[in-house]
Amino acid sequence: GQNIDQPTEMTATEGAIVQINCTYQTSGFNGLFWYQQHAGEAPTFLSYNVLDGLEEKGRFSSFLSRSKGYSYLLLKELQMKDSASYLCARPGGRDDKIIFGKGTRLHILP
Amino acid sequence: DGGITQSPKYLFRKEGQNVTLSCEQNLNHDAMYWYRQDPGQGLRLIYYSQIVNDFQKGDIAEGYSVSREKKESFPLTVTSAQKNPTAFYLCASNNGPLDEQFFGPGTRLTVL
Repeated sequence: GQNIDQPTEMTATEGAIVQINCTYQTSGFNGLFWYQQHAGEAPTFLSYNVLDGLEEKGRFSSFLSRSKGYSYLLLKELQMKDSASYLCARPGGRDDKIIFGKGTRLHILP
Repeated sequence: DGGITQSPKYLFRKEGQNVTLSCEQNLNHDAMYWYRQDPGQGLRLIYYSQIVNDFQKGDIAEGYSVSREKKESFPLTVTSAQKNPTAFYLCASNNGPLDEQFFGPGTRLTVL
């Protein structure tokens, strides 16, 4: 199976921290991507995790646990511009496509 | 500057007409993809191509067709057989499934 699951919507407050979770089927795993998509725009790449652990890039960090089929995106010091959808994705395995989750819409409150 | 272009940004067509959406990239990427996105939904793969003159169906290929005659270009035709074609269409490219995807700005197609 290639299902990717993530929450549909989340709400957080400006300046706070939010964690967006993603779970996936572990068979044929080759890494996990996170993309950000603002409304009406194209997705943009945030991170790609292949190994277990936390990778930090400024205010955004991404975590991976391959044995648990689990990843999360951590956003710190939230800003209003972080209001967007966050898409979790993984390579498809035997074929060459990429499987996207349905995305988590993050709402930031002032 | 390297990137992916899609044109037009907004497209209106009458029901029953075929329409072709263009996608061009100058990133020298081997792989190109077409996705459809409906309001509040994730990305669904229509077609993808790993190399010139070859392409594969994605999850929702019915009613669509593509060609890959040049490395830089991957046009998508939405045919009259597509039952509900109104959607946001995104083209992407990369150098394979383990590489980040670069997306074009998208074409919003409305069929009247």
